[in-house]
Amino acid sequence: EVQLVESGGGSVQPGGSLRLSCAASGFTFSSYAMSWVRQAPGKGLEWVSVISGSGGSTYYADSVKGRFTISRDNSNNTLYLQLNSLRAEDTAVYYCAKAYSGSYLNPFDFWGQGAVVTVSS
Amino acid sequence: DVQMTQSPSTLSASVGDRVTITCRASQSVSRWVAWYQQKPGKAPKFLIHMASYLETGVPSRFSGSGSGTEFTLTISSLQPDDFATYYCQQYDTYSPGSFGQGTKVEIK
Repeated sequence: EVQLVESGGGSVQPGGSLRLSCAASGFTFSSYAMSWVRQAPGKGLEWVSVISGSGGSTYYADSVKGRFTISRDNSNNTLYLQLNSLRAEDTAVYYCAKAYSGSYLNPFDFWGQGAVVTVSS
Repeated sequence: DVQMTQSPSTLSASVGDRVTITCRASQSVSRWVAWYQQKPGKAPKFLIHMASYLETGVPSRFSGSGSGTEFTLTISSLQPDDFATYYCQQYDTYSPGSFGQGTKVEIK
């Protein structure tokens, strides 16, 4: 059974940092691209970033480019998102999501339960 | 960047109704469109990929169609469990507008 479990969310002041983690199980982690998708309170889904299975390729939404960094540890089946220079508009539930079929241009067949990030002074 | 525009944003319907949600892409995305269902406080659930391929376990009352720039999600006979918000997603290219803005299906 595929499981994705996020952790690391919390409250932080503007300009602060957080690191989100997503522990994966139930599939061959290194064979699949992984993404982060966020959802601001009462709003729709926004794709944030994707990383290839090997970790060699990464892509970011313009809204987070230069501030967020996606990475993965295939030996520990864990996905990360480092959030720096946080702004109020980064307040959201952050979901990790598994690519349906390996490569990064894919829909997401499994999602975690979400990690809440609140940026407020 | 490819933008996905869903309509309507809210849809009021009754159990048993046939419901159609439309998603338009700002440029052709071939058939690289997925649909998700999301209930309050829960992660999205993957319903359809490649515009019309139903995921395992998704009831057959759900169907998808379209190609190029226009796509539809149809629920043939709305059930109580179907009241939720639905999102389309293009995956021809990654862009901030990968997801449509959502369609909330509520009880009439």
